[in-house]
Amino acid sequence: SSELTQDPAVSVALGQTVRITCQGDSLRSYYASWYQQKPGQAPVLVIYGKNNRPSGIPDRFSGSSSGNTASLTITGAQAEDEADYYCNSRDSSGNYVVFGGGTKLTVL
Amino acid sequence: QVQLQQWGAGLLKPSETLSLTCAVYGGSFSGYYWSWIRQPPGKGLEWIGEINHSGSTNYNPSLKSRVTISVDTSKNQFSLKLSSVTAADTAVYYCARGAFGTTFGVVIRYYYYMDVWGKGTTVTVSS
Repeated sequence: SSELTQDPAVSVALGQTVRITCQGDSLRSYYASWYQQKPGQAPVLVIYGKNNRPSGIPDRFSGSSSGNTASLTITGAQAEDEADYYCNSRDSSGNYVVFGGGTKLTVL
Repeated sequence: QVQLQQWGAGLLKPSETLSLTCAVYGGSFSGYYWSWIRQPPGKGLEWIGEINHSGSTNYNPSLKSRVTISVDTSKNQFSLKLSSVTAADTAVYYCARGAFGTTFGVVIRYYYYMDVWGKGTTVTVSS
């Protein structure tokens, strides 16, 4: 399968914890990567691999995986975390790149 | 620090060919897959295709008939051509660097990520 499914929108109160999920058959073989995109900006990688953060990404961002579902968790969400989040992987064959449809995170 | 600088025509007429180039500065060109991704206004990310330093390509099946991605390793550049454009091809186009990894445990798991992105080029198709 070449599809990754995300909830279109999620909200979280300031300082609380939020989990954004991504489902797809390819996630049984591939860890998802996660990207944050703010309006008018290019996506930024926030999580890759089992649970790796690129330099400069706060440690409140973490990743996990179970079966065909990957999760991005933000522990203690900040106002600046309000953005669109996309998951990404290869498809099950490994030949193609796939993105989830994106989740709009609102910090209340 | 690796940077991607992209450029190309921003306004096209229907049936024309979109042409964009992305230059890689400050890092190795080999060992990675170099992708083009687009984002229509108000919509999500769509992968177009990728190429590695030796010229091996993979394309999104939905665009494959119209897409050509090429590489010029002497300049550390890769390019996108999308033929017969229509209004549906109006989008911000990004170039990005992709990398693979493997984790070994009870089960071997793979991962893929795009860690460096260009700033994006807005392409509008209008008559």
